[in-house]
Amino acid sequence: AQSVSQHNHHVILSEAASLELGCNYSYGGTVNLFWYVQYPGQHLQLLLKYFSGDPLVKGIKGFEAEFIKSKFSFNLRKPSVQWSDTAEYFCAVNGFSGGYNKLIFGAGTRLAVHP
Amino acid sequence: DAGVTQSPTHLIKTRGQQVTLRCSPKSGHDTVSWYQQALGQGPQFIFQYYEEEERQRGNFPDRFSGHQFPNYSSELNVNALLLGDSALYLCASSWGEARYEQYFGPGTRLTVT
Repeated sequence: AQSVSQHNHHVILSEAASLELGCNYSYGGTVNLFWYVQYPGQHLQLLLKYFSGDPLVKGIKGFEAEFIKSKFSFNLRKPSVQWSDTAEYFCAVNGFSGGYNKLIFGAGTRLAVHP
Repeated sequence: DAGVTQSPTHLIKTRGQQVTLRCSPKSGHDTVSWYQQALGQGPQFIFQYYEEEERQRGNFPDRFSGHQFPNYSSELNVNALLLGDSALYLCASSWGEARYEQYFGPGTRLTVT
């Protein structure tokens, strides 16, 4: 069965610190990978996605993620966080199973950035 | 261009009752997926509708059912509500059997007392 593991449930950083959130997935076939963000009081928004090609993908607001197939990982990074990055971050996998696809989400990482 | 819309925003029901939640997909999208997000957890896949048929289902009991209309909008029905059904119910739309990214609505917060 497909599964997604996010290693950090809560992360607290000061502004300008670097961020890396871990994500590992379990699926043997072709996958699409996503990071979604949920700002306080807002709905889930797509941060970035990987379908194929360059394993280093860039998303909105200065975020990037690297797909390492051999490690089944898709870690999210940002060189310098801002207070406005305070949110919950979800890693998700969409595996091609029988032609019909569903998103499998990790449990999420709650990030708090202090000024 | 309207995004995914859901109604109602909040709902309070009593155990044993039935509830219907509604979703209108983003313009141009033909696939609707439903997710349940319990407090402090990631969204859990309930089922997906494409061409008015349930195409895939997660590990949810038959009390959870749905429908997709010709205009691609969708309903989620939950019968015999349990306290554990209290959660945020998210609708996501996409194009082409959810092969690509899904766009999420704001959700319906269901509280079962």
